[in-house]
Amino acid sequence: QKEVEQDPGPLSVPEGAIVSLNCTYSNSAFQYFMWYRQYSRKGPELLMYTYSSGNKEDGRFTAQVDKSSKYISLFIRDSQPSDSATYLCAMRESGYSTLTFGKGTMLLVSP
Amino acid sequence: DSGVTQTPKHLITATGQRVTLRCSPRSGDLSVYWYQQSLDQGLQFLIQYYNGEERAKGNILERFSAQQFPDLHSELNLSSLELGDSALYFCASSAETGTRSDTQYFGPGTRLTVL
Repeated sequence: QKEVEQDPGPLSVPEGAIVSLNCTYSNSAFQYFMWYRQYSRKGPELLMYTYSSGNKEDGRFTAQVDKSSKYISLFIRDSQPSDSATYLCAMRESGYSTLTFGKGTMLLVSP
Repeated sequence: DSGVTQTPKHLITATGQRVTLRCSPRSGDLSVYWYQQSLDQGLQFLIQYYNGEERAKGNILERFSAQQFPDLHSELNLSSLELGDSALYFCASSAETGTRSDTQYFGPGTRLTVL
């Protein structure tokens, strides 16, 4: 079993839809959770950064962490064609810098 | 723009050759990380340097090595290249290491093609 599992997609939605992206993990020591967005042939860009369980909102993006279920989510409201990209979840343990990434979910938002 | 720079953008070389990838971290960041991204493996952590010292090692092959210089830029050396080494190589940097505010910012990557 991989440490971090993420459905590769692609996930295709119409413009304006609410998008839900998810990751599950097996290492209960993970304390910090991130979502990165990666456009084709570009470097990953940090979108959301959360510590432990709970929700965090930033504009159209909401990140949720449920440590009891080892499950994290990223919600995108009012999705736009410019949101079309691969979304990578990443996580790390407290006191360590090393990130463990999911393989990424490709999102396609059609106009 | 993350502030992390990488050169070159593209590199095409032959099997058995050696290449060097270069990374300059964001101003003020002391940590540099190297990652390899391939279609089948996703983003894999290779190695981390903090203020010139090796801090953590991931899935880095013995044919690969890295270093961080006094001006904090880093180089990743790949030798005896094989077809399977073709991938995107990313550098990331962060200000601290392991603390609550430690956040990694990625460069634009170097695309390596081994023919």
